[in-house]
Amino acid sequence: EAGVVQSPRYKIIEKKQPVAFWCNPISGHNTLYWYLQNLGQGPELLIRYENEEAVDDSQLPKDRFSAERLKGVDSTLKIQPAELGDSAVYLCASSSSGLPLNEQFFGPGTRLTVL
Amino acid sequence: SQKIEQNSEALNIQEGKTATLTCNYTNYSPAYLQWYRQDPGRGPVFLLLIRENEKEKRKERLKVTFDTTLKQSLFHITASQPADSATYLCALERGNTGKLIFGQGTTLQVKP
Repeated sequence: EAGVVQSPRYKIIEKKQPVAFWCNPISGHNTLYWYLQNLGQGPELLIRYENEEAVDDSQLPKDRFSAERLKGVDSTLKIQPAELGDSAVYLCASSSSGLPLNEQFFGPGTRLTVL
Repeated sequence: SQKIEQNSEALNIQEGKTATLTCNYTNYSPAYLQWYRQDPGRGPVFLLLIRENEKEKRKERLKVTFDTTLKQSLFHITASQPADSATYLCALERGNTGKLIFGQGTTLQVKP
């Protein structure tokens, strides 16, 4: 069974440019998460989807970040415009709401460098 | 707000010894506490979950304890191997929300 797929794996852009990350969760997983991870820190939740609905986006900086999960499957996270402080790893995770343990399965992440 | 503290200093141990990692939290006791492993350049991988009414959980060479009085969880790896070298993250979940709050992780280095 394929795991969570993310692309690209690495992205280097100049500040003020837009950037987008794509995530395909594990088949059948209704819940999708986007996390940000800074070096030496644990992941921090940006947004959580249940199917196509964003049920928790309280930590998403909405002035420059946006996300969508139109058909309740894959998802895109966008930053426009990017700032130097956005350099980090962006992780996507998914879980099956049917699982009682809410174990989350993470993708490999996209490492963003803003110059 | 809930805070999680893991030892930010790397833990270096000799192969065969038991590694013990600590996770302390403030404020409310979570319904669940999870431990994840993260290798460089990869996403975290789930290892174990322990509920608030459980004192101890085991899986092969791994053991997790949960003391809600001390607000602490300990993660043990017995008979450690160089392949156990990684960063270990603890994460708290309140209720059945699916929302995890992660600690900063502790890096374990097992030397042969």
